[in-house]
Amino acid sequence: DGGITQSPKYLFRKEGQNVTLSCEQNLNHDAMYWYRQDPGQGLRLIYYSQIVNDFQKGDIAEGYSVSREKKESFPLTVTSAQKNPTAFYLCASGGTPTYEQYFGPGTRLTVT
Amino acid sequence: KQEVTQIPAALSVPEGENLVLNCSFTDSAIYNLQWFRQDPGKGLTSLLLIQSSQREQTSGRLNASLDKSSGRSTLYIAASQPGDSATYLCAVTQGGSEKLVFGKGTKLTVNP
Repeated sequence: DGGITQSPKYLFRKEGQNVTLSCEQNLNHDAMYWYRQDPGQGLRLIYYSQIVNDFQKGDIAEGYSVSREKKESFPLTVTSAQKNPTAFYLCASGGTPTYEQYFGPGTRLTVT
Repeated sequence: KQEVTQIPAALSVPEGENLVLNCSFTDSAIYNLQWFRQDPGKGLTSLLLIQSSQREQTSGRLNASLDKSSGRSTLYIAASQPGDSATYLCAVTQGGSEKLVFGKGTKLTVNP
């Protein structure tokens, strides 16, 4: 069953704690992406990776970090430096030649 | 900087009606355009992908058109059903980049 999985679905953390969101894909895509979605705003790109062991900052990378040690996995860490971490986080993957992107089910993070 | 606009922000129609959702973008140098559907609290489902060299794509009751020169795309939904109720998002991939730029979406409600 091919697709993208994100875990957990809901995550609650206290302010000041780092938290890591999981994203796994079995679509054999080279590229993976992390987006943030807030009410009333479009999706905004946090980080993306076009190949293993390489990644680039998106539009809102401050307060976030990522790694890409395996083709299938692209975890996102929300650090204590992120001022407004409460949001819905979506992971996606895509590949050549069309660059069509496929999305996971999302993780809703609440920080209090 | 590419900007994507979707009008209207919300649309309510009776069941059975044919409808059109609009998407406009400011920079015509796009690689492709994707239409997505998002149900409340869920991830994005890819509906249609139009490559920059194409004028339209069809899937079932959905038809998407692309006019690069005018910076516009439309998503036509025929014979709407209550199950079509969702938020529809338009996104473009810039030429030379794999990054998607999203509009804020149109929230569609189809009333029985």
